[in-house]
Amino acid sequence: DAGITQSPRHKVTETGTPVTLRCHQTENHRYMYWYRQDPGHGLRLIHYSYGVKDTDKGEVSDGYSVSRSKTEDFLLTLESATSSQTSVYFCAIRDFTEAFFGQGTRLTVV
Amino acid sequence: AQKITQTQPGMFVQEKEAVTLDCTYDTSDPSYGLFWYKQPSSGEMIFLIYQGSYDQQNATEGRYSLNFQKARKSANLVISASQLGDSAMYFCAMREPNSNSGYALNFGKGTSLLVTP
Repeated sequence: DAGITQSPRHKVTETGTPVTLRCHQTENHRYMYWYRQDPGHGLRLIHYSYGVKDTDKGEVSDGYSVSRSKTEDFLLTLESATSSQTSVYFCAIRDFTEAFFGQGTRLTVV
Repeated sequence: AQKITQTQPGMFVQEKEAVTLDCTYDTSDPSYGLFWYKQPSSGEMIFLIYQGSYDQQNATEGRYSLNFQKARKSANLVISASQLGDSAMYFCAMREPNSNSGYALNFGKGTSLLVTP
């Protein structure tokens, strides 16, 4: 198994509260990604990182921020959670011919 | 973002039969990579197979093979000898050919496969 773990695996939070999801890798990959998965949409890119402190926006970045202070950790923050951010969140790492995903975090905003 | 199209929302196949899941893609860049993933009901994303745009041969991994037709921009997944455990959602994805999105994978909406006894 690729060394990539997400925490927490499940979270229920209230509208307006901040939430941080963590992705941890042991593979020393340069690139890391956060996706969200919603019915009928497949997986959509939220943010990505191409190195420590190097991050950029993806397709659906509004309402999200990220940070990468160490190669192994990529954090996704919802500054003020909204119901539209209820989703399953996946972190991924990639080399040229493979891309591996964490187990996913099911986030419910009530 | 480059576009991936999976036209089959749902498919049925009988156990031990082969099944083909369709995927077409749209890019004008000559260098790209195509991936297939399986997502069972438990939710994890399982990497199945990769095909590079310059690869001369179709990729194979066990019972999975990729029918890569470059001129048609299609990358269909073929599962031979289907098993009940193959019932899952299947996603086709393409690695973005440029750095504007960090060479991220761009996904289709998926095909739900049900294998029946």
